[in-house]
Amino acid sequence: TQLLEQSPQFLSIQEGENLTVYCNSSSVFSSLQWYRQEPGEGPVLLVTVVTGGEVKKLKRLTFQFGDARKDSSLHITAAQPGDTGLYLCAGAGDSSYKLIFGSGTRLLVRP
Amino acid sequence: DVKVTQSSRYLVKRTGEKVFLECVQDMDHENMFWYRQDPGLGLRLIYFSYDVKMKEKGDIPEGYSVSREKKERFSLILESASTNQTSMYLCASSLSIGGIRETQYFGPGTRLLVL
Repeated sequence: TQLLEQSPQFLSIQEGENLTVYCNSSSVFSSLQWYRQEPGEGPVLLVTVVTGGEVKKLKRLTFQFGDARKDSSLHITAAQPGDTGLYLCAGAGDSSYKLIFGSGTRLLVRP
Repeated sequence: DVKVTQSSRYLVKRTGEKVFLECVQDMDHENMFWYRQDPGLGLRLIYFSYDVKMKEKGDIPEGYSVSREKKERFSLILESASTNQTSMYLCASSLSIGGIRETQYFGPGTRLLVL
């Protein structure tokens, strides 16, 4: 069974600080996605990484896929209150249409 | 604009009731999914459908069934609701099978409370 573990589970930081969220597995994934979910809404895709070692940037967010395609990280620079939400990583499992989700990291950015 | 809608945002039901959760997508997507989301457990797949009238069990299908009579509509049925089915239910759709870059588009969720 493929599992994804996210850390930390909760993060409360001051506006302007930097943070990193980790997504780890003992399994290899063909691709990995990051979603953000705001209160009362469904998750929204932020990025998909496919190649081992790949780095993608989305404004102040930097996503990295591990060389062995078993782990990923999300780094936010100069966090803003609008970054508050639940961040979920999801890996494409044995069946490409089935995603395996991590347990999520709940981020609160205080003004 | 891509849209997945769910019939209710909040539902309160009694133990033993039959519950229907409806999901509609307007993107002509082949795949549709039902997840439940519980704190600390992430999203767990209940059922998915890759075509009309086709369905496959996900990781936690017990106590649930599904129906997909039309391409745009995917229903989740709780035959006899129990308190351990209190949860947030999320519907999603994606374009087609086979793409590792597939995006799943989610509805806003239905928060179900079973008393």
